[in-house]
Amino acid sequence: GEDVEQSLFLSVREGDSSVINCTYTDSSSTYLYWYKQEPGAGLQLLTYIFSNMDMKQDQRLTVLLNKKDKHLSLRIADTQTGDSAIYFCAIGAAGNKLTFGGGTRVLVKP
Amino acid sequence: GAVVSQHPSRVICKSGTSVKIECRSLDFQATTMFWYRQFPKQSLMLMATSNEGSKATYEQGVEKDKFLINHASLTLSTLTVTSAHPEDSSFYICSARDFGGGTDTQYFGPGTRLTVL
Repeated sequence: GEDVEQSLFLSVREGDSSVINCTYTDSSSTYLYWYKQEPGAGLQLLTYIFSNMDMKQDQRLTVLLNKKDKHLSLRIADTQTGDSAIYFCAIGAAGNKLTFGGGTRVLVKP
Repeated sequence: GAVVSQHPSRVICKSGTSVKIECRSLDFQATTMFWYRQFPKQSLMLMATSNEGSKATYEQGVEKDKFLINHASLTLSTLTVTSAHPEDSSFYICSARDFGGGTDTQYFGPGTRLTVL
């Protein structure tokens, strides 16, 4: 089955850019997603990218997809304290069945 | 984005009782909903795929007789944890699939924290 890996933790200073990385194994995915989870809450869809795209930008968020290396990244520009959360990448298979990475805990320091 | 609600947000029950969790898509119709379980500091584990008007598809290792799923309408799926035990205590999250018009996305509910005493 699909295997999705993320680094566990990222610390960043307020105002800097954050880059969260994700690697996966299944190259047949059509959609790849980034979700944000705050403590005790559900998942909030941040953005997604089609597998035939290399990059997608949405305000402070930039998603890069390297299909050859099976690498997905999320860049958050001008990181704010409200961006502190756990970020999950998710890879979509047939029927939109998602496989999640383990999540990256982002801590934004003032 | 689309809105998905869950009810209740938190429930505490005694061992042996059954608990029903509702998942509703508020502003779109969802023929497919998903149920996940999340342990502390861990990722989401897919339990089952709920399809409107048909039987749910369970992931390997998930007991279908213990976790009953009903998807009776295009906006509502329910998960019933039957004869709950302390090991069933967890954070249960549902999602609804928004498919069509060039998109294929899951929108998640806020989760239900179940504590079994």
